[in-house]
Amino acid sequence: KQEVTQIPAALSVPEGENLVLNCSFTDSAIYNLQWFRQDPGKGLTSLLLIQSSQREQTSGRLNASLDKSSGRSTLYIAASQPGDSATYLCAAQGAGTALIFGKGTTLSVSS
Amino acid sequence: GAVVSQHPSRVICKSGTSVKIECRSLDFQATTMFWYRQFPKQSLMLMATSNEGSKATYEQGVEKDKFLINHASLTLSTLTVTSAHPEDSSFYICSAGDRTPERWFFGPGTRLTVL
Repeated sequence: KQEVTQIPAALSVPEGENLVLNCSFTDSAIYNLQWFRQDPGKGLTSLLLIQSSQREQTSGRLNASLDKSSGRSTLYIAASQPGDSATYLCAAQGAGTALIFGKGTTLSVSS
Repeated sequence: GAVVSQHPSRVICKSGTSVKIECRSLDFQATTMFWYRQFPKQSLMLMATSNEGSKATYEQGVEKDKFLINHASLTLSTLTVTSAHPEDSSFYICSAGDRTPERWFFGPGTRLTVL
């Protein structure tokens, strides 16, 4: 059964800092991996989706990498801003199955 | 991207009542929908898989008689929380699948508060 772990659980950084969020998954037979953002009391916003055949995806200041063999993914946020403060969720998907989520990393960026 | 809606967005009910939550795919047909719940400061936990025209498949520990799922059409799945109790208070989120390419889209969620 797939298990997804995210480290750290919480992170506080000053504005402008580059940071890395980590995600690991136990079953490397994934179809894709997604990173989401969730603001307090809100739903999910999809940030990046990496297909199993890909190594990374980029969108603006965000870059996500995937290493299936080691069961790891990282989300890199460049030049962090206070508006980046949110919980970031990593989710792994098998073929035809539901996404399995990690517990998230709660990011706080101070100005 | 594809749009998934949920209704209601927020509901408050008394203990013992039943609450129905709707999940709709607005611009695509979804043969499969998933239901998740999220307790405060916790991650999303998969409750069940809903397939159009067949019985839902529930995850271990989820009471199928308490959380009734109906997927009667390719655009609508409903989750009914029967005889709700305060411990059922949670954020319920559905996702629906567009299989070409295979990707799941999420609804905005329904916050249930049981008094």
